[in-house]
Amino acid sequence: DQQVKQNSPSLSVQEGRISILNCDYTNSMFDYFLWYKKYPAEGPTFLISISSIKDKNEDGRFTVFLNKSAKHLSLHIVPSQPGDSAVYFCAASVQEYGNKLVFGAGTILRVKS
Amino acid sequence: KAGVTQTPRYLIKTRGQQVTLSCSPISGHRSVSWYQQTPGQGLQFLFEYFSETQRNKGNFPGRFSGRQFSNSRSEMNVSTLELGDSALYLCASSYKNIQYFGAGTRLSVL
Repeated sequence: DQQVKQNSPSLSVQEGRISILNCDYTNSMFDYFLWYKKYPAEGPTFLISISSIKDKNEDGRFTVFLNKSAKHLSLHIVPSQPGDSAVYFCAASVQEYGNKLVFGAGTILRVKS
Repeated sequence: KAGVTQTPRYLIKTRGQQVTLSCSPISGHRSVSWYQQTPGQGLQFLFEYFSETQRNKGNFPGRFSGRQFSNSRSEMNVSTLELGDSALYLCASSYKNIQYFGAGTRLSVL
């Protein structure tokens, strides 16, 4: 069962514009959410996270929005840069259960210059 | 601080063999988790160790095992390798709910 879903396998955006990556989850026990970026032949790099007690978290060009009632979160990148081209993974966990992350399948972001 | 270090980076084994992968966490991190990444199944949680004890386990057969040492370094072992075990194995160490990943070990089973 896919508890975390990223329904868009890929996204193409022009440099300077906004990139919006989406993620849905089914397990209402998830209370901590993270976004990772991954380049080929490297491990995932942490980008930004959000606790379920918040609905927004911002860090520079990256903002994550959480809609608990819809079980949906999104990552906004503004402005998008060619170096942002990578695979983006959404992940979720239940903090009480430790560090077990459940990942989505990933979205390939291509930022065109 | 140095990041998470995984060794070796690449491994080639044959069916039926066993393999041991190593992970050195970021200094001061006591939790180490292991994940398997394959094209078909994506990133899947294997297990987590904290203070030398397994704290969490994913849905993998008993051929997959791990351990953690007193210095927080961790190893995972896969016995009786199968072709389907070919994957990128990632290790992550954790601090305040954030997991930091190593570059992974690419295992190919022939």
